[in-house]
Amino acid sequence: AQSVTQLDSQVPVFEEAPVELRCNYSSSVSVYLFWYVQYPNQGLQLLLKYLSGSTLVKGINGFEAEFNKSQTSFHLRKPSVHISDTAEYFCAVTTNTGNQFYFGTGTSLTVIP
Amino acid sequence: SQTIHQWPATLVQPVGSPLSLECTVEGTSNPNLYWYRQAAGRGLQLLFYSVGIGQISSEVPQNLSASRPQDRQFILSSKKLLLSDSGFYLCAWRVGGVEQYFGPGTRLTVT
Repeated sequence: AQSVTQLDSQVPVFEEAPVELRCNYSSSVSVYLFWYVQYPNQGLQLLLKYLSGSTLVKGINGFEAEFNKSQTSFHLRKPSVHISDTAEYFCAVTTNTGNQFYFGTGTSLTVIP
Repeated sequence: SQTIHQWPATLVQPVGSPLSLECTVEGTSNPNLYWYRQAAGRGLQLLFYSVGIGQISSEVPQNLSASRPQDRQFILSSKKLLLSDSGFYLCAWRVGGVEQYFGPGTRLTVT
């Protein structure tokens, strides 16, 4: 079975500062990895995905993530955050069937003016 | 483009009452459909998924059930709600690729 650990439940950061949200996964088979963002009382929006190929993937809103197979990590980064980035961020993993998504417990990013 | 709808957006129900949440997808055919529950301060838990009309897979045994009467319609039901059923219910779809796309969600409060 697969599992996802998001190491930080809350991350406060000042506006225009860089941020990294950490995600580690465990799996005995090849996986696909995702980051989703959730604004208050809304559904989840796909930020970016890693399926194969380049380990550095770029997503929407200036976010990027790097897949590190040896460290089983998929950390999310942004070089300069904005107030509008304040939200809950979820890391998720699935296998080639795509039906069973395993989500982390989320990281609440708060951008401080 | 594809869109996904969920209703109602919010719902307050007493313990022991029935439940029916609806999810519909537009702009695609033969989607895989999913129901998730998000409890306060926790991640998402997959409840049910469906790969076609009338085909339901249950991931977590509980007092909820799901049905798929039409290709792009997915319904979550309960005969008698429990306090522990409170949460944010999200429907998602997938076609072709691996990624899932989520609806706006339904906030259910059981009192």
